[in-house]
Amino acid sequence: ETGVTQTPRHLVMGMTNKKSLKCEQHLGHNAMYWYKQSAKKPLELMFVYSLEERVENNSVPSRFSPECPNSSHLFLHLHTLQPEDSALYLCASSRDSASNQPQHFGDGTRLSIL
Amino acid sequence: AQRVTQPEKLLSVFKGAPVELKCNYSYSGSPELFWYVQYSRQRLQLLLRHISRESIKGFTADLNKGETSFHLKKPFAQEEDSAMYYCAPPDNYGQNFVFGPGTRLSVLP
Repeated sequence: ETGVTQTPRHLVMGMTNKKSLKCEQHLGHNAMYWYKQSAKKPLELMFVYSLEERVENNSVPSRFSPECPNSSHLFLHLHTLQPEDSALYLCASSRDSASNQPQHFGDGTRLSIL
Repeated sequence: AQRVTQPEKLLSVFKGAPVELKCNYSYSGSPELFWYVQYSRQRLQLLLRHISRESIKGFTADLNKGETSFHLKKPFAQEEDSAMYYCAPPDNYGQNFVFGPGTRLSVLP
């Protein structure tokens, strides 16, 4: 399968649970991103990885912990989330992290915090 | 911080009418800007980019550096153009994108 794949598509968890979101890209890209898309708010960039190194962390709470074991995989580990963290989490990739590179998005994981 | 405005949350036009989706940004450099589109039940995808000056699905966008605008235009809207449209200029450092709040285009039959 080509493109950017995210799993799971939907996730419901309690505030004390620990879960992980997974993203995989088959495009040979070197940069990967996590975004948060909430209702009534613009798409928010959370993390940027370039060649498996984190290059940006946009003041994201520590209850979100990213991991990039290789250039094809990106995880977002979740722990002790709050109800306001309920949102659509999008993964994207691009050839590199320069701003002139278009990004390719996955379908997202719809996260609901009980 | 980079400010991106898309003043219309919702824009409704009739099929065959011209459409213009507005985008203004604050970054003062020489930006590469993008428009992304999200059709119903589909993923967010690239519609067009400034540097290539391509016309995708009949859409064009002209960069006006004086007005710091990058409005998206199409002369004759089609029903299948109904979607969410996001303008994406670079941030103030030219390193990442900032997505605008989006405009929902509804093309009526």
